[in-house]
Amino acid sequence: SAVISQKPSRDICQRGTSLTIQCQVDSQVTMMFWYRQQPGQSLTLIATANQGSEATYESGFVIDKFPISRPNLTFSTLTVSNMSPEDSSIYLCSVLRGGLYGYTFGSGTRLTVV
Amino acid sequence: AQSVAQPEDQVNVAEGNPLTVKCTYSVSGNPYLFWYVQYPNRGLQFLLKYITGDNLVKGSYGFEAEFNKSQTSFHLKKPSALVSDSALYFCAVILGDNFNKFYFGSGTKLNVKP
Repeated sequence: SAVISQKPSRDICQRGTSLTIQCQVDSQVTMMFWYRQQPGQSLTLIATANQGSEATYESGFVIDKFPISRPNLTFSTLTVSNMSPEDSSIYLCSVLRGGLYGYTFGSGTRLTVV
Repeated sequence: AQSVAQPEDQVNVAEGNPLTVKCTYSVSGNPYLFWYVQYPNRGLQFLLKYITGDNLVKGSYGFEAEFNKSQTSFHLKKPSALVSDSALYFCAVILGDNFNKFYFGSGTKLNVKP
């Protein structure tokens, strides 16, 4: 399976600021995904990012709040913009390689907004 | 709407005893079912999956799960629990018409006591 490096692993941010989370994969992948895990809750898909095209956002998530970049087949960033305490969550990137058997998740970024 | 239910927020078992973590789903279409485990400060790790074929699937670390179509369930089991099994377990579903989106359950915290 793919190896994912996600940075930062955690951060504490002031409300109103933005944080960019990086996801680096050790091999080329077509599909990259960003998930949010709010405290005590399950994972929710934010968006799907394909290289060379705009990300596809799930209901309830918008590009202005969560802009995503996918400059190449091994890298993606998710920015959490104009943060509020409600954005405090774990954000995880995930990649798919090799069909249904090939989903891999990063270790996550634990974000606290104060 | 598609949904995955994990009715127990927490499961407590003694080491050496069998464990069961429950999962039921409500989806339209053919489901592909997964179990993931999340250790503290770690990403999700794949345990096992059901795609097709034998309803009883075996996965990592001695875990197994049984797909029950009539009861729409996919309970995770292990004959003899270890303290090191203590973690957060997520059941997830992918539908056959969209392999790019997981629907996750809310997670079950497994506590195995010595």
